[in-house]
Amino acid sequence: DIQMTQSPSTLSASVGDRVTITCRASQSINDWLAWYQQKPGKAPNLLIYAASTLHSGVPSRFSGSGSETEFTLTISSLQPDDLATYYCQQYNRYPVTFGQGTRLEIK
Amino acid sequence: QVQLVESGGGVVQPGSSLRLSCVASGFTFSNYVMHWIRQAPGKGLEWVAGISIDAKSKHYADSVKGRFTVSRDNSRSTVYLEMNSLRVEDTAVYHCAREGFGSGFAPCFDIWGRGTLVPVSS
Repeated sequence: DIQMTQSPSTLSASVGDRVTITCRASQSINDWLAWYQQKPGKAPNLLIYAASTLHSGVPSRFSGSGSETEFTLTISSLQPDDLATYYCQQYNRYPVTFGQGTRLEIK
Repeated sequence: QVQLVESGGGVVQPGSSLRLSCVASGFTFSNYVMHWIRQAPGKGLEWVAGISIDAKSKHYADSVKGRFTVSRDNSRSTVYLEMNSLRVEDTAVYHCAREGFGSGFAPCFDIWGRGTLVPVSS
């Protein structure tokens, strides 16, 4: 199975900060990577797919980049509503696998 | 409003069985591949199973293969997960999810339900 490793596990930042989360794959997944946001007690929401394509309705402060084995999710200006845990997921092949999550806290 | 709502969770003993249901609304269910994904308490996400539009193709994670069965009823816009021989390590919130975009080999998921909790405990 392809292992997905996110860093950091926890991130604390202030409103207005630029925030970056990294996801690394144990082997090349081309650009078949998705990012999800999960708020406490809620279902995950798709933010980005194909590494850099913003899903419909997602604010433009979110962006994704990367290819092969290293990817990043960036929030250009952190908002209070962004308090959540963020997961990456590879869909290069089955079984699809997720990173362990990055919990984003607002200072 | 596009929505998935799971039900059927509850406390069960190791070795027992349970059937989960997920009802879809707000979209044409029969046009979409559907999946189950679970999340153990305080842990990350683990894909469990997927079923094709016509139910002829099914995929399972190795951890549940031979114990869990995914099925669907397009007339009821419902996908099911039959879970047998449950283990303590199956304890999780079980989400159903709609297949969104894919690589041609595997998918990501564009709509998720909030999930139903299945605690397996003696």
